Parts: sequence; C-alpha cells; structure tokens
Amino acid sequence: GENVEQHPSTLSVQEGDSAVIKCTYSDSASNYFPWYKQELGKRPQLIIDIRSNVGEKKDQRIAVTLNKTAKHFSLHITETQPEDSAVYFCAATRGNTPLVFGKGTRLSVIA
Amino acid sequence: GAGVSQTPSNKVTEKGKYVELRCDPISGHTALYWYRQSLGQGPEFLIYFQGTGAADDSGLPNDRFFAVRPEGSVSTLKIQRTERGDSAVYLCASSLTLGDTQYFGPGTRLTVL
Repeated sequence: GENVEQHPSTLSVQEGDSAVIKCTYSDSASNYFPWYKQELGKRPQLIIDIRSNVGEKKDQRIAVTLNKTAKHFSLHITETQPEDSAVYFCAATRGNTPLVFGKGTRLSVIA
Repeated sequence: GAGVSQTPSNKVTEKGKYVELRCDPISGHTALYWYRQSLGQGPEFLIYFQGTGAADDSGLPNDRFFAVRPEGSVSTLKIQRTERGDSAVYLCASSLTLGDTQYFGPGTRLTVL
C-alpha cells in the first residue's frame, strides 16, 4: 500500500519568510495530493491540492509542486504570517483508495 | 451550505462500554470516510462508504469496530467493548464522489477511562 513520509516534523520561521514542507510517496499510481491545515482542536482544512497531470499549482501565497519521477511533492508558503501557524498534513491517493496522510509538520511563524 | 457535522463533540466512557459516533456528511455527497487521529499523528483511514455500502473497511483495527450508513447519508461508527487504546479523535469526511476533494468534520474526541 501507499506510504507517505513528511519532513520536517517541526518548522519555525520568522514572519515574512518562506516555509517549505516536503513529502514523498511510495505508490507510483497515486494521482491526487492534497494538503490540509489543522489548527489546534479544529478540523483539517484543505488549503491546496494537485493532481498528477500538472507539476505546479499556486493560490496566492501558497504553492504546491509535484515531481512524479522522484515521487515527491512540496508545499511552499511565502510571506508567512502568524496565522499560518498550524499543523500541515500532506496526503496521497490513487483516487479510488483512501487518503494516506503524512505525520504532519508543526509550523510556527514567529512575529 | 452546511459542512460535515459530527456528534457528540466529546465522549468520555469507561473501559468495556459501547459507544456510537455519528457523522452527517455534506448534502449530496455520496462518499463518506472515517479516520482516527491520535495525538501528534496524521489521520489514519478506518473505513469508507460509497452510497450505502462499505467500499473498503480494511482500516478497521479489529472486529470491535463497525460502521453503517443505511440510507446513504448519515453514518454511525460503533465501537464495542471499548479499550483505553481506542482513545483518539475520530474524524469523518465526505466527498461528492469517490476521488473528489474530502471535507472533514470537526471530529469526536473519544476518551476511554
């Protein structure tokens, strides 16, 4: 089955700097890669996703890149703000299989 | 419209008791998923439904866990003879159909004393 590894487990950045979180996956048939943001005690919220037919997707300060050959994808947050502080999870699926999540990255943005 | 809702938000029970956790998906969503999230971990898949049938229950840890979705909308996760190791946040998600974006509910925090 699919296995998703996520790094780093914790990340601290200064406000205004960029943050990058990386995930690798094992199943070459996986074709959908969402990223969720989870604040303490709250539900996971989808922030961006990418399908395997594109290599990059951007939404304002957030971007995701996908390298199918290397089987890894990354989340990029630019101009970080204190409200970006949360736990971020990557996930992967073939589409007809359940999401497999990484273990999460705790991002702290220091004002 | 309304998002995914789950009840109760918190459930405290004693070891050996039976519990039911409820999930109301987004209206019109045919796929419904149950996950379990332990502290400091990502959500782990338990079971998912496409319509009324369980399409994949391979994530259920043992036969004490069971889930139903009799009318293809609301789902109930049932745990028999609860154990302390069952303590976690149980998350429900739904999507328009299998493979579409999954939207999560707020979760039920289960504590087994």
